[in-house]
Amino acid sequence: AQKVTQAQTEISVVEKEDVTLDCVYETRDTTYYLFWYKQPPSGELVFLIRRNSFDEQNEISGRYSWNFQKSTSSFNFTITASQVVDSAVYFCALTRNAGNMLTFGGGTRLMVKP
Amino acid sequence: NAGVTQTPKFRVLKTGQSMTLLCAQDMNHEYMYWYRQDPGMGLRLIHYSVGEGTTAKGEVPDGYNVSRLKKQNFLLGLESAAPSQTSVYFCASSYAQSTSNYGYTFGSGTRLTVV
Repeated sequence: AQKVTQAQTEISVVEKEDVTLDCVYETRDTTYYLFWYKQPPSGELVFLIRRNSFDEQNEISGRYSWNFQKSTSSFNFTITASQVVDSAVYFCALTRNAGNMLTFGGGTRLMVKP
Repeated sequence: NAGVTQTPKFRVLKTGQSMTLLCAQDMNHEYMYWYRQDPGMGLRLIHYSVGEGTTAKGEVPDGYNVSRLKKQNFLLGLESAAPSQTSVYFCASSYAQSTSNYGYTFGSGTRLTVV
């Protein structure tokens, strides 16, 4: 069985602070994919990143960066210099292989205050 | 290019009423999914389909039925709505194999309240 845990249910920061959202996963598969989605107050799910289990390189996209560590089964997400527009619920998700069902974590609500 | 379209966007039902949520995708995706989102629980899979004419149960299938008569459409039915089915419902679709970096496309959601 697969499981994704996002232990932080809510995080509050002040604008321009850096913030890291934790994601720990469990799977018995050797091939799997990890995702991060953003859900702004408007409610839609916005894709942020996909990472497969073969690629442990960290990724940076603007103010966003992701740290994938298979040794600790973690796929953490860092926002540098947070902005009010980053306020949203963020979901980490796992799938056994591409095109299969996603298992979501419970989500982390990030509130960035001006 | 609409992607995944869900109708309706909002609905209020009385306990015991029935309704159907429609999901339509125009990307020729093989796989389609229905999820429900409840506070603190993320999204949980209700049912899914790996192709036209096929459906399978997900994590929380009780109280729901689905049909996929056409590849582009995936219907979610509630035969006798219960207050526990108050939730936000998301439809998603994907290719069977990874052919793009995005993987899954989600609809904008349907907010259902059962009173």
